[in-house]
Amino acid sequence: QVQLVESGGGVVQPGGSLRLSCAASGFTFSSYGMHWVRQAPGKGLEWVAFIRYDGSNKYYADSVKGRFTISRDNSKNTLYLQMNSLRAEDTAVYYCAKGGAAGMYYFDYWGQGTLVTVSS
Amino acid sequence: DIQMTQSPSTLSASVGDRVTITCRASQSISSWLAWYQQKPGKAPKLLIYKASSLESGVPSRFSGSGSGTEFTLTISSLQPDDFATYYCQQYNSYEGFTFGPGTKVDIK
Repeated sequence: QVQLVESGGGVVQPGGSLRLSCAASGFTFSSYGMHWVRQAPGKGLEWVAFIRYDGSNKYYADSVKGRFTISRDNSKNTLYLQMNSLRAEDTAVYYCAKGGAAGMYYFDYWGQGTLVTVSS
Repeated sequence: DIQMTQSPSTLSASVGDRVTITCRASQSISSWLAWYQQKPGKAPKLLIYKASSLESGVPSRFSGSGSGTEFTLTISSLQPDDFATYYCQQYNSYEGFTFGPGTKVDIK
């Protein structure tokens, strides 16, 4: 069965950095695009970033462009999100999500999420 | 960027009711729309993709319809397990895969 397990969340000061990881299992990781989606406390869902199955294409939400970097290591079945210049408004639960079949950009499996809190 | 709206924002219903949620896009997204269910403290769960395709394992009381800019999610007979928040999401544009603001379905 598909499993996605995020880690790396925590409390960080404004302007700081954090790297999230997502360990994938139960499917051929190297064949699927992957996403990060976040949810601020009590708020709705916000797509953050996407990476193609081979890492050749990456897309970002305007709110994180230039500050966040998505990457993957297909040999380790792991997805990453490097977050720099963090702001209070980046406080959220961050989910990794598997892209749909045939390269479709919906999310068919989600991890349990990891909480990032940006606060002084 | 494509903006998504949902109505209503909250819906009070009883077990057995037929429930319909509407999602609108600010421009045509063809059929590139998905629906998710989220319960408090849990990750979202995919229900519908490509506007009307039921994800494997999702009960048949859930259905989706629409194309272009207007879409609906229908629950034919609401069950106790269906009280949750529902989100639509467009995936037409690489510029951003935006979600609607959500519709909370609670007990009447």
